[in-house]
Amino acid sequence: EIVLTQSPGTLSLSPGERATLSCRASQSVSSSSLAWYQKKPGQAPRLLIYGTSSRATGIPDRFSGSGSGTDFTLSINRLEPEDFAVYYCQQHGSSRYTFGQGTKLEIK
Amino acid sequence: EVQLVESGGGLIQPGGSLRISCAASGLSVSRNYLSWVRQAPGKGLEWVSTLFSAGATYYADSVKGRFTISRDDSKNILYLQMNSLRAEDTAVYYCARDPNGWPDWYFDLWGRGTLVTVSS
Repeated sequence: EIVLTQSPGTLSLSPGERATLSCRASQSVSSSSLAWYQKKPGQAPRLLIYGTSSRATGIPDRFSGSGSGTDFTLSINRLEPEDFAVYYCQQHGSSRYTFGQGTKLEIK
Repeated sequence: EVQLVESGGGLIQPGGSLRISCAASGLSVSRNYLSWVRQAPGKGLEWVSTLFSAGATYYADSVKGRFTISRDDSKNILYLQMNSLRAEDTAVYYCARDPNGWPDWYFDLWGRGTLVTVSS
């Protein structure tokens, strides 16, 4: 079973700064099955990125994804107040979906 | 509007059973890959189960043998029957849709969730 490890656990930044979130897989992952979600308390998860680098419908171009193999990155340029949330990476393999443990992006 | 709406959550004693539902509108449950994903209090997202359009079912090891995913095509509803419930099953349960399956495998549509609390 592939394990996804996200780092850092918490990232403290100010609005206007750039955030870089990491997702590392325990073994190589198909780039087509790596996705990122944003989760706020009391809300459903929101799809941001799929296929490593494709933005979902309605997602601003401040959000971008990259990576391959075992190392993947979600970047958020020019942080807006509404971007502060928890972010999860997700992959699919062996007939199951796996999520990372999450990175909390908080206001500094 | 395309949406998923969960219901049926509540307080249940350990060892008890509960069935939660996900009503779909604007999409057909029979033609989509639908899953249940949960989030325990203060924890991350955890995939629970998936039902493929062709009928195949898959479960996380933590619920295998206790939970059953199914659907009623005539009512356009997805279900999760949960038996032998444990305290660690306490979570908000989300219904989610994977629009494509292979090779992309991601969830583009989510419900707002229903809270299941297992406690005596």
